[in-house]
Amino acid sequence: DIQMTQSPSAMSASVGDRVTITCRASQVISNNLAWFQQKPGKVPNRLIYAASSLQSGVPSRFSGSGSGTEFTLTISSLQPEDFATYFCLQHNTYPFTFGQGTKLEIK
Amino acid sequence: QVQLVQSGAEVKKPGASVKISCKASGYTFTSYYIHWVRQAPGQGLEWLGIINPSGGSTSYAQKFQDRVTMTRDTSSSTIYMELSSLRSEDTAVYYCARYHTGNFAFDYWGQGTLVTVSS
Repeated sequence: DIQMTQSPSAMSASVGDRVTITCRASQVISNNLAWFQQKPGKVPNRLIYAASSLQSGVPSRFSGSGSGTEFTLTISSLQPEDFATYFCLQHNTYPFTFGQGTKLEIK
Repeated sequence: QVQLVQSGAEVKKPGASVKISCKASGYTFTSYYIHWVRQAPGQGLEWLGIINPSGGSTSYAQKFQDRVTMTRDTSSSTIYMELSSLRSEDTAVYYCARYHTGNFAFDYWGQGTLVTVSS
């Protein structure tokens, strides 16, 4: 199985900060990676697909990059509504696997 | 609009089975795969498997291979996921999600179904 190592597992930041979250795949997954945001008690919401494509309706402060085994999600200027849990998903090879999640909290 | 509507919460005893439905609307049912994932309380997401609504073919995570069955009813555009021999560790919210290669990976999700396994 492909392991998705996501870091950090938790972090605190302030409104206006730039934040970067990383997912590392144990094998090459091309660009078959998506990023999701999940708020407590809510359904995951896709932010980025194909590693770097912004989901329609998602603010442009979110961006994704990477290919192969290293991927990043960047939030350029944190807004209050961005405090949530973020996780990555590789959909290159079965079984699909998720990162462990990054809980982003207010500093 | 695309919608995946799941059946309601379930409470089951250890050893029992649960069958959850996921009704699709707003798109061509047979054109997109459906995945099932679950999330235990306070935990991350875990992939259970996939079904192709067109032909009914499936692929399951090895961990669940002998306990999960995914089926579909094309007449009602509904996918079913049955998990048997339930144990307390199966307590989780179960989600269905739509999938296709390219831009459509997990773009729409069901609202989730809480399954509680308790004696």
